[in-house]
Amino acid sequence: AQSVSQHNHHVILSEAASLELGCNYSYGGTVNLFWYVQYPGQHLQLLLKYFSGDPLVKGIKGFEAEFIKSKFSFNLRKPSVQWSDTAEYFCAVRPDSNYQLIWGAGTKLIIKP
Amino acid sequence: DGGITQSPKYLFRKEGQNVTLSCEQNLNHDAMYWYRQDPGQGLRLIYYSQIVNDFQKGDIAEGYSVSREKKESFPLTVTSAQKNPTAFYLCASSIRTKDEQFFGPGTRLTVL
Repeated sequence: AQSVSQHNHHVILSEAASLELGCNYSYGGTVNLFWYVQYPGQHLQLLLKYFSGDPLVKGIKGFEAEFIKSKFSFNLRKPSVQWSDTAEYFCAVRPDSNYQLIWGAGTKLIIKP
Repeated sequence: DGGITQSPKYLFRKEGQNVTLSCEQNLNHDAMYWYRQDPGQGLRLIYYSQIVNDFQKGDIAEGYSVSREKKESFPLTVTSAQKNPTAFYLCASSIRTKDEQFFGPGTRLTVL
């Protein structure tokens, strides 16, 4: 079955630290890739997406993600986190074979001021 | 102000009762979705609708029902057949099914 794996359920970092959240998926064909973020008390919102083209994708608030097809990965990065980045981050994948998004379990990120 | 509204924010029901969760969007999106979110798990798709008067089962449709009589509305009924209904329910919409999804604020349902 198709699945999405987010390696860390909880991550705690200090402000100004660099961030990398892992996301791997199990599907051999073409995919669309997404990172969504849920800030405390707010709606889930799109952080960035990859459909085709440059595998390094830039999103809002200084986030970026790199699609590495050979590794089936789409890791999220930010060079220097802020306290306001405290949130839950979800990776989602859409295989080209269907309309459904397959979601990872999420990573709760806590930034210590 | 465009967006997706879900009501109510919190809902309590007694075991054995059906309950309907509301989802309305004014984004003029064709596609709408219902997800269930449980702690430590990703979102799981209950139902989705690509267009008015059409909807498809997702991975966990058992014990749920939907309707799509209007483009802007996609209500979800949690029936008494749903074995474990206590959860956080999210509604989403997109222009078409392969586009970015926009989410509502969610409804937290607790069965007493």
